[in-house]
Amino acid sequence: GEDVEQSLFLSVREGDSSVINCTYTDSSSTYLYWYKQEPGAGLQLLTYIFSNMDMKQDQRLTVLLNKKDKHLSLRIADTQTGDSAIYFCAESMYNAGNMLTFGGGTRLMVKP
Amino acid sequence: SQTIHQWPATLVQPVGSPLSLECTVEGTSNPNLYWYRQAAGRGLQLLFYSVGIGQISSEVPQNLSASRPQDRQFILSSKKLLLSDSGFYLCAWTIDEKLFFGSGTQLSVL
Repeated sequence: GEDVEQSLFLSVREGDSSVINCTYTDSSSTYLYWYKQEPGAGLQLLTYIFSNMDMKQDQRLTVLLNKKDKHLSLRIADTQTGDSAIYFCAESMYNAGNMLTFGGGTRLMVKP
Repeated sequence: SQTIHQWPATLVQPVGSPLSLECTVEGTSNPNLYWYRQAAGRGLQLLFYSVGIGQISSEVPQNLSASRPQDRQFILSSKKLLLSDSGFYLCAWTIDEKLFFGSGTQLSVL
């Protein structure tokens, strides 16, 4: 079965880097995703990585994937107060019809 | 361009009342459509998904139902709401293996 785990909470100071971690259990993942949810809003797709990649960088965002340890991380450089939100990781599996399984979300608080 | 619309944004309903939430998509045909629920401070729970008109798969047993009367319309319904139905309901669709969400409906059952 599939299971995606995230820590509940992360607090950083403005200007520092944030690293949000995620672990998953199913090795047949095809894509892994990071979503951002601001209060009262839907989930916004931030970035994604194909399972045969180790790293993907997109402006301030860096995604690292360790397939051996089934570990995914999202690094936000120069974190801003506007980055405060809940971040969800998710995995999709080809043999499950590409359905996504979500982690419970990590609440990022950025202190000025 | 492809967009997803979901309404209403907020809804307060008494226990035992019916529910109808609507989601429509534009800019594509035959999308996969999904209904998720997010309880307060919790992760996402997949409720229903649909791969085509009239095709609904249910992921969890409950007093909610879904229908897809048209290709780009997905409706979440209940005949009698329970307190436990309160939550944030999100419609979503997939494009090229990426899942995109609507803006959500905050449902409070009192």
